[in-house]
Amino acid sequence: GDSVTQMEGPVTLSEEAFLTINCTYTATGYPSLFWYVQYPGEGLQLLLKATKADDKGSNKGFEATYRKETTSFHLEKGSVQVSDSAVYFCALGTNAGNMLTFGGGTRLMVKP
Amino acid sequence: DAGVIQSPRHEVTEMGQEVTLRCKPISGHNSLFWYRQTMMRGLELLIYFNNNVPIDDSGMPEDRFSAKMPNASFSTLKIQPSEPRDSAVYFCASSWGPPGGGELFFGEGSRLTVL
Repeated sequence: GDSVTQMEGPVTLSEEAFLTINCTYTATGYPSLFWYVQYPGEGLQLLLKATKADDKGSNKGFEATYRKETTSFHLEKGSVQVSDSAVYFCALGTNAGNMLTFGGGTRLMVKP
Repeated sequence: DAGVIQSPRHEVTEMGQEVTLRCKPISGHNSLFWYRQTMMRGLELLIYFNNNVPIDDSGMPEDRFSAKMPNASFSTLKIQPSEPRDSAVYFCASSWGPPGGGELFFGEGSRLTVL
C-alpha cells in the first residue's frame, strides 16, 4: 500500500540556517505530494504541494520538488526563522480518493 | 469562511464516561475526516466520509468508537465508554475536489483527557 517515510526529529537549527527535511514515498500510480505544517496548539495546514513529476511547490520560502526517479519530496528552506518552529508532515494523495497518507511528522526547533 | 469548527476544544472526563466530539466542516466541502494524534502513534486516520456516507472506517480502534454525519454540515465522534488510552487530540478535517488528494482543511482539534 501507499506509505510516506520522513526523517525523524527533532531537527534543531540556529536562526538563518539551511533546512532540509527528507521525505520518500511508496505509491501505486501517480500521486500528488504535499507538505503540511502544524504550529503549536493548532491543526495542520497546507504548506505546499506538487501534483506531477518535476513540479516544484513553494510557499513562505519553503520549496520541495517532486522527484519521481528517487520517489522523494524533500522540504528545503534557505534561511529558517524562529517562527518556523513547528511539526512538518509529508503526505501523498492518489486517485483512489480524497484520502491522504501522512508521514510521521518531523519536529523543527529553531533557536535564536 | 470560518474554517472547520470543532467543539469542545478541551474535554476532561473520567474513565467510563461517554464523550462526544463535534465538527462543522467548511460549507461546500464533500469529504470529512476524523484523525487522532498522540505522541506515541502520531497522526492516525479514524474514519472518512464522502457526501455524508462513511467510506473507510478501518482506523476506528474498536466498537467503543462511533462516528456519524447526519448532514453535510455536521459530524460527531463518540466514545462510549471512554478509557485513559483514548486521551489524545482529535482533529476533524474537510476537503473538496476530485480524487487525487485535495487539500485538507483541519480544525484546531479537541484535546481529550480521560482520567
